[in-house]
Amino acid sequence: IAGITQAPTSQILAAGRRMTLRCTQDMRHNAMYWYRQDLGLGLRLIHYSNTAGTTGKGEVPDGYSVSRANTDDFPLTLASAVPSQTSVYFCASSDYAGGGGELFFGEGSRLTVL
Amino acid sequence: QKEVEQDPGPLSVPEGAIVSLNCTYSNSAFQYFMWYRQYSRKGPELLMYTYSSGNKEDGRFTAQVDKSSKYISLFIRDSQPSDSATYLCAMSAKSGANNLFFGTGTRLTVIP
Repeated sequence: IAGITQAPTSQILAAGRRMTLRCTQDMRHNAMYWYRQDLGLGLRLIHYSNTAGTTGKGEVPDGYSVSRANTDDFPLTLASAVPSQTSVYFCASSDYAGGGGELFFGEGSRLTVL
Repeated sequence: QKEVEQDPGPLSVPEGAIVSLNCTYSNSAFQYFMWYRQYSRKGPELLMYTYSSGNKEDGRFTAQVDKSSKYISLFIRDSQPSDSATYLCAMSAKSGANNLFFGTGTRLTVIP
């Protein structure tokens, strides 16, 4: 089934540890995004990539880094996790053909930092 | 002031009821408006998309945009238990999802 695949689906992590959330899409979309979703705050954009080889900062980029070596993969790295990074993380993609940003989301990665 | 305001609910209705979900916004430049549906422990999925003002209908769902009032609505007719989900509004001034602002979501439960 075509779409976005995220891994892991759930993870408990000790504070200070490094963690990479993986995201792969098979729709050949140009643009990819990482969001975090927190109760009462909704979806907030962490980082985005409009095309392979480029990345940009979203609303809440601090403590996170991304890379976009190819069209399909867009990993999100927490260099040194802190408890405030406990959240549900969603990867998304769009074909960036204009038209206001119709996003296709993955199933999410639930991260708990203790 | 948040760019997009959405009542978090929760909202509970009996099966068959008409549901009205709403968002207000502050940026008059917004011209792309979307509604996403998110089932529990799943990712959001696009439900309705509207450009500029007006209405759009798709089956039991109708999206309305009133730019003069900075107000958008999603109506669900003949609501079903399968409509139980969180509904997120989203909007942007420019094309491209990196310019998208989301509401916090309204949790809806349709009771059989």
